[in-house]
Amino acid sequence: GAVVSQHPSWVICKSGTSVKIECRSLDFQATTMFWYRQFPKQSLMLMATSNEGSKATYEQGVEKDKFLINHASLTLSTLTVTSAHPEDSSFYICSATPGLAANTGELFFGEGSRLTVL
Amino acid sequence: DAKTTQPPSMDCAEGRAANLPCNHSTISGNEYVYWYRQIHSQGPQYIIHGLKNNETNEMASLIITEDRKSSTLILPHATLRDTAVYYCIVRRWGKLTFGQGTILTVHP
Repeated sequence: GAVVSQHPSWVICKSGTSVKIECRSLDFQATTMFWYRQFPKQSLMLMATSNEGSKATYEQGVEKDKFLINHASLTLSTLTVTSAHPEDSSFYICSATPGLAANTGELFFGEGSRLTVL
Repeated sequence: DAKTTQPPSMDCAEGRAANLPCNHSTISGNEYVYWYRQIHSQGPQYIIHGLKNNETNEMASLIITEDRKSSTLILPHATLRDTAVYYCIVRRWGKLTFGQGTILTVHP
């Protein structure tokens, strides 16, 4: 099946620094990508929907200035956690779909990126 | 929100069929039911999805009731590697909103 790759797989940073996570669709063009975060023993929480060439749409309660999303090409979306703090430590996962988001078709998930903020 | 309800946990013996139920009584006519699973510290893996007809692929079968208010995922011959959290999701506005899922434990 189609592959979505995230980088880095894990990252440790100091409090107050910014961290960028990349999400790439390797063998298809992803007009739409989604970003999730997952705390230990909890389910995935949708953070935002990213459409190529336009501003991301954030879910209620997610700070757009804290979690910057850029979807500059059809194969790459980035999530930047700005001024990271220990409470931002989490597992961040992206998913991608060819074409515009609809209610059918498969969403492909990346392997996830584990962020630890000291 | 087309919320889904799943049992928090289930057990299954290796080699037997695993039948995972899901209720989605508020599903709308054009919304699909998706099933994913997640093994610890990995991204979710797609299993199957459907609208109203039963579906089958190499991994599983999906049985959707005629009124579409519930569905069952069937793993025909469960193996130890099928131990995971299984999520039943109704896709709305193109998005997948995850619930708590069912922890399926396959034992020898």
